[in-house]
Amino acid sequence: QVQLVESGGAVVQPGRSLRLSCAASGFTFSSYAMHWVRQAPGKGLEWVAVIWYDGSKKYYADSVKGRFTISRDNSENTLYLQMNSLRGDDTAVYYCAKAEAATASNPMDVWGQGTTVPVSS
Amino acid sequence: QTVVTQEPSFSVSPGGTVTLTCALTSGSVSTSNYPSWYQQTPGQAPRTLIYNTNTRSSGVPDRFSGSILGNKAALTITGAQADDESDYYCVLFVGSGIWVFGGGTKLAVL
Repeated sequence: QVQLVESGGAVVQPGRSLRLSCAASGFTFSSYAMHWVRQAPGKGLEWVAVIWYDGSKKYYADSVKGRFTISRDNSENTLYLQMNSLRGDDTAVYYCAKAEAATASNPMDVWGQGTTVPVSS
Repeated sequence: QTVVTQEPSFSVSPGGTVTLTCALTSGSVSTSNYPSWYQQTPGQAPRTLIYNTNTRSSGVPDRFSGSILGNKAALTITGAQADDESDYYCVLFVGSGIWVFGGGTKLAVL
């Protein structure tokens, strides 16, 4: 079955960097776009970024543009989120999600369990 | 800045029918926004219910349905059950690769 497992969450100080990973299995990873979505404590879901099936196009929410970078390694079936210049309002559970098809205009259909990133000094 | 709005809360009686909506402050929702719906209970990852307006995700019972009602996307739950008590989120594609979630609706079954 389709499985997504996030890792890399850790307590990090403001201004520092962190890289999240999402290991995919049970489907042809290289055929699907992938999303990152986050949820701050007690808040709703916030879309963060999406990457095309081949990595050729990437799109970001305004709140993270210029600080976060989404990437993928199709040979390793792994999605990444490089987070730089972290701020307190980046504190959240970060979910990776498989898109319904190959390009960015396809919604999330399968979700991982999430990894927690507290940004705190 | 594009804002997606949902009812903050709703209640339904067991066995009843409820329709939750998802609107764009800047205009009408259409199928080109690929409206999708997710259910989340506290401490759990979201679960996909409906994607691309009205396609039910695998394993989702047919008492969950999606549609466009007027200028909004809608999620209708018929025959509400106690375990439908959850938070429900919609998401819309607003173009240029960008997606925006609504603030979520907390549904009570009582």
